[in-house]
Formats: sequence, C-alpha cells, structure tokens
Amino acid sequence: RKEVEQDPGPFNVPEGATVAFNCTYSNSASQSFFWYRQDCRKEPKLLMSVYSSGNEDGRFTAQLNRASQYISLLIRDSKLSDSATYLCVVNVYSTLTFGKGTMLLVSP
Amino acid sequence: EAQVTQNPRYLITVTGKKLTVTCSQNMNHEYMSWYRQDPGLGLRQIYYSMNVEVTDKGDVPEGYKVSRKEKRNFPLILESPSPNQTSLYFCASSPLDSPADTQYFGPGTRLTVL
Repeated sequence: RKEVEQDPGPFNVPEGATVAFNCTYSNSASQSFFWYRQDCRKEPKLLMSVYSSGNEDGRFTAQLNRASQYISLLIRDSKLSDSATYLCVVNVYSTLTFGKGTMLLVSP
Repeated sequence: EAQVTQNPRYLITVTGKKLTVTCSQNMNHEYMSWYRQDPGLGLRQIYYSMNVEVTDKGDVPEGYKVSRKEKRNFPLILESPSPNQTSLYFCASSPLDSPADTQYFGPGTRLTVL
C-alpha cells in the first residue's frame, strides 16, 4: 500500500517553462498537506503548505482536492535554482508521510 | 540562529559496533523525530517524541533506540548496527501545536555499516 505517490521524474524543462507535479494520497484521514523541497544530499525544507482553497506563493501554486485525494504543485517561470527534488508530504495525526519525491531539472 | 544539529555528519563503522547519532535543537520544540532516507524508498520515520520522556515508534523502528531525557536532545542509538542500516539519517523538530507545518530538519548523517 503506497500512502503517498508521486511521479519520480526527472522532469527536464528549460528556464522560463511552467511545470506541474502531482501527488496522490491513500489515507482519507489525512489532515494537512505540504510540499517540501530537497536539494541533492541536503535536508528537506518546507516549500509551502497546501490549503483546500488553493494557495500561491510567488511563482508557486499549490492545490488540494480532498475528494480525489490529490495534491498538485505548479511552478511558473522556472529558474535554474528550482532544480531540486520536490516531496509531497501528508500529515495524519501528527505523523508525516513523505512521498518519494519528483526530481526537477531546469536547464538554460 | 534557529537550528537542528546532528553529529557526526559522516560515519563509517562495522557490523555490531554500537553507535549513537546525536541531535540537538535550540528552538524549545516539543516534537522531535528521526527519519532515514534510502534511494527508491523516500523518507521513513524511525521514532518520534512528543516531549521529554515520551517516545513512540514510527514506521521503521527495528534495530534502533531513542531517548528523550532533555527537551533539546534526541539521540538515535544503534545497539548492533547491520549493513541494512546504511542510510542517510535526518533528525527534525517542530512545535507540538504544529508538528507538520514548521518542521525543521538537521543537515543529515550519512552512515555506512560494513
């Protein structure tokens, strides 16, 4: 049973492109949702929380569909510095479950 | 500076030799946890603690022990390491009232067990 599923990628995109990542989760009791970013061999860092109404932070937009148990992350105007692995994270009763991550490679 | 520190950052050891990886946070967080990260498997929680003297198993606790005698420290103990415990380990902390939203990770400990 895979609790949080993501396409591992890699997604190879040119600078300036728009790219979207999807994530599905299996536990309907999941309470809150997040996207983390992890650079190679570094610790994960919180990118943004995901709210039911959808939320935006600069070039990043996150969406949640509770009925379909689906989360998305949209990155507009990709920068070279966006190259990283993006982890979908689900919180169930204070326990975080991480997806395996989607790798993004932005090229000049 | 708010941070989570881990030591050592890199360790190569042999099967059966007890080791401890330390974790310390300076943010007065109640919640601390340990994860391991392996290729193709992602981050998996080993143990977590919701406060001093309160610890609980995560998804993969076998072969590990933890203790929480002080709020700031949460060491991970491998009593008899085996090669399948070769991994990248992360410690994390967060306030109890929002354990997920504001989780801070340490820099990681890369452990190799020969």
